[in-house]
Order: sequence, then structure tokens, then C-alpha cells
Amino acid sequence: DAKTTQPNSMESNEEEPVHLPCNHSTISGTDYIHWYRQLPSQGPEYVIHGLTSNVNNRMASLAIAEDRKSSTLILHRATLRDAAVYYCIRYRDDKIIFGKGTRLHILP
Amino acid sequence: GAGVSQSPSNKVTEKGKDVELRCDPISGHTALYWYRQSLGQGLEFLIYFQGNSAPDKSGLPSDRFSAERTGGSVSTLTIQRTQQEDSAVYLCASSYGGSSPLHFGNGTRLTVT
Repeated sequence: DAKTTQPNSMESNEEEPVHLPCNHSTISGTDYIHWYRQLPSQGPEYVIHGLTSNVNNRMASLAIAEDRKSSTLILHRATLRDAAVYYCIRYRDDKIIFGKGTRLHILP
Repeated sequence: GAGVSQSPSNKVTEKGKDVELRCDPISGHTALYWYRQSLGQGLEFLIYFQGNSAPDKSGLPSDRFSAERTGGSVSTLTIQRTQQEDSAVYLCASSYGGSSPLHFGNGTRLTVT
């Protein structure tokens, strides 16, 4: 049980922002929220993570709801190379379960 | 620096044979995970090692699957008497534990004929 819910797929136009939602309504106070993405024929790669506050890095931004029951990964300007499956996971120092993720399609 | 290394990258075996898949985690990483990914599917958790603690084997699909981690570093996933349904990409990941990110290898693609 991944305990996170994501849309199966999303589309976005190239060079436009993308907002990928994730629901984690049963998250506990000590669980982090991690995002990974998997490009075709590769292992997943880390994107960003957070606990309570919004986070920014060179790849993306993470907006976490005040009640922590949901979060949104923001790609500020999508490129064709961002086409991948994006996984949102509840992360603790424990076994980590991945859901099915969101397949992001980028339209040129 | 060196990332997570998995070998072999590809393995073709006959049904009924045993196979061993190897994972070399990033040096210093205490946590190590094995996942399986069938074609077009998500990641299926198999087993989790953390330091010297007993591993969490709750994801192993049958007793034909086993894994060990020697000296807190290299890990081997063994599949005995392989079946066609074992065909998948087997992914290894490691981390420092806590909230630190997972680092994945590129996987071993196993094909059972």
C-alpha cells in the first residue's frame, strides 16, 4: 500500500509550468514527502523532498499543504526531457513503498 | 563520485536455473533496498536492509527469493528455480537512512526463457 494517490497521467506543453499533485492524507508527523522520477529505460532519480515547508532546488519546487495531506511538484518550465513517470512517496526510515506514479507527457 | 552499481546489467537464464544479482551501494550508505519492476509497471518493494538490523523481507514474493548483505555493503539477491514470471528489471537503491534521498542503480534486466 503506497498510501499516496497520484493521477495516472498528465500532459503539458513544452516551456509551460507543470503542477503534479499528490494526495497523502494519512501521512504521519515524521514522514517526509519525497519525489522521484523515472526516465525511460533508467532507474528512478531523486527530484526533491520536504517535511513541512515549501522547498526549491535546481530541478523543481515542492509545495506542501499546511495540513500536509497533499503536495504539489512544480516544474517551472517543462522541456521534452522532463517526460517521465513521477513518483510521490511517504518517506520514513523504513521500507519505502512506491505507487504507480504519474506519467507526464510533454507536447512540443 | 561512484553511484550505485548493479551487475550484470542483463541476464538471460533458462527456467529452473538459479540466478544471483549483485548490488554495490554508495560507500557509507547504511540503507539498501531491492525493488522489482515488470514491464510497464511500477516499483514493487522486495526487501530492505538498514545497518545491522534484521532485514525487512516482507516484499519477497516467494521462498525462492532471498537476499543478503555482507559487511553492511554489497548485497546479493538470489532467485532459485527461476520462473518466467520472474522476468523483470531488478533495481537496487541505497541511502544514508533518515530522510536522505534514495540513489538507484540502473538495474538488472532478467529474462527467463
